[in-house]
Parts: sequence; C-alpha cells; structure tokens
Amino acid sequence: DIVMTQSPDSLAVSLGERATINCKSSRSLLYSSNNKNYLAWYQQKPGQPPKLLIYWASNRESGVPDRFSGSGSGTDFTLTINSLQAADVAVYYCQQYFSIPFTFGPGTIVDVK
Amino acid sequence: QVQLVESGGGVVQPGRSLRLSCVASGSTFSNYGMHWVRQAPGKGLEWVAVISSDGSNEYYVDSVKGRFTISRDNSKNTLYLQMNDLRDEDTAVYYCAKSRASSVYNSGDYWGQGTQVTVSS
Repeated sequence: DIVMTQSPDSLAVSLGERATINCKSSRSLLYSSNNKNYLAWYQQKPGQPPKLLIYWASNRESGVPDRFSGSGSGTDFTLTINSLQAADVAVYYCQQYFSIPFTFGPGTIVDVK
Repeated sequence: QVQLVESGGGVVQPGRSLRLSCVASGSTFSNYGMHWVRQAPGKGLEWVAVISSDGSNEYYVDSVKGRFTISRDNSKNTLYLQMNDLRDEDTAVYYCAKSRASSVYNSGDYWGQGTQVTVSS
C-alpha cells in the first residue's frame, strides 16, 4: 500500500498570513501515460464531510477560493492557503488515488494564531 | 447540484450485518464511479471501497475484503455497502462519495453527510 504522510501535524497561522501543508507519498503518484499526479486535497470542518479542494495535485475544484493552491509532483506535494481566513480553520487531508487502496494522509489541523 | 444521502447506519452487535445505502440526485448516477470512505471517532479518513460506473469493477481495502460488498443499482440511483461479520473496529461514520469521472481512479468531488455505524455488544 502507498503510505501518505503529512507535515506538520498542526499549525497556527495569523489571519491574512500563509499556511503551507506538506504531503509525501511512499511511491510516485505520477502516471507517465498522462503526466498526471493522482493526488487530491480535502478540507474537513468539525461535524461535516470532507470537501474536495484540489485534484490532480494542482487543479482547483470549482467554487474553491483561489487562495487555495496545490503543487508538487512525484512523491512530494504542497497545499498552500494564501491569506488565511477564519473560515479556513479545519483539518486538511491529502489522498492518493494512484493505487488501490486509495490512502489518505493522517491530516493537518490548521488553526488561527 | 449533486446530493448524496446515506442511510442504514445504527448500533449492531459484533458478528452481525448491516447494509448501508446512498441515494444520489442531481447528476447522471450511472456515469460515475462511487466510493465509500469511513472515519472512526476522533480519527482520520479511511478509504473503504470503490465501484465503477457500470458496477463491473469493485475494489476494497484489505481490512474489509471478504466481509464488505459494494454494489449499485443505477436504475435507482443508489449505492450500497453490505457489511457482514462486523467488528468493533468497523465503528465509524461512513461516507459515500461520487468519483469525479467514470474511472474509479479519481478523487471524490461530492460527499454525503455520512451515516454512523456502531459495533458494540
């Protein structure tokens, strides 16, 4: 199975500042046939289901604010939240869908400092 | 707007069975793969199973293989998860999620609110 790790476990950022979350996979998520990275990012707020933010590592889902961006390739990925808002307080998960079973990272808690 | 509504959760004794349902609306259900993902109390997300758009392919995490069966009825816009021989560690909120495309190798773009399954004697 592909193991997903995230860092940090949690972070507190001042409103308006940048939050950066890292995700690392134990194997490359880049499929050479289509040059796509099979990596998604989700946001989950307490008592709510996950919400898809980013797919194919860097494609923002429709309706997601442009302060959210994804980058990276292969085994190393980053979710960046520019200009953090109070509404962004949540747990963020990365997920690989390159290989079954599709595994999630352990999550990163983002809070306001 | 796509809506997914899960049902069928509850409290069940170890070794017993439960069937979850997920009714979809707002999209052409038969065009998309569908996932089940669970979340144990206070824990992270765990992918459980996926089924292709036409139901011909299904895949599972090892911990549920041979005990859980994912299926779908495209005429009823409904996804199922038959859970047999339930164990304490199956206690979780179970979410259904729509795949972004017909392929199972895709992220989940719409999620239901979840249904709670508690396995306890």
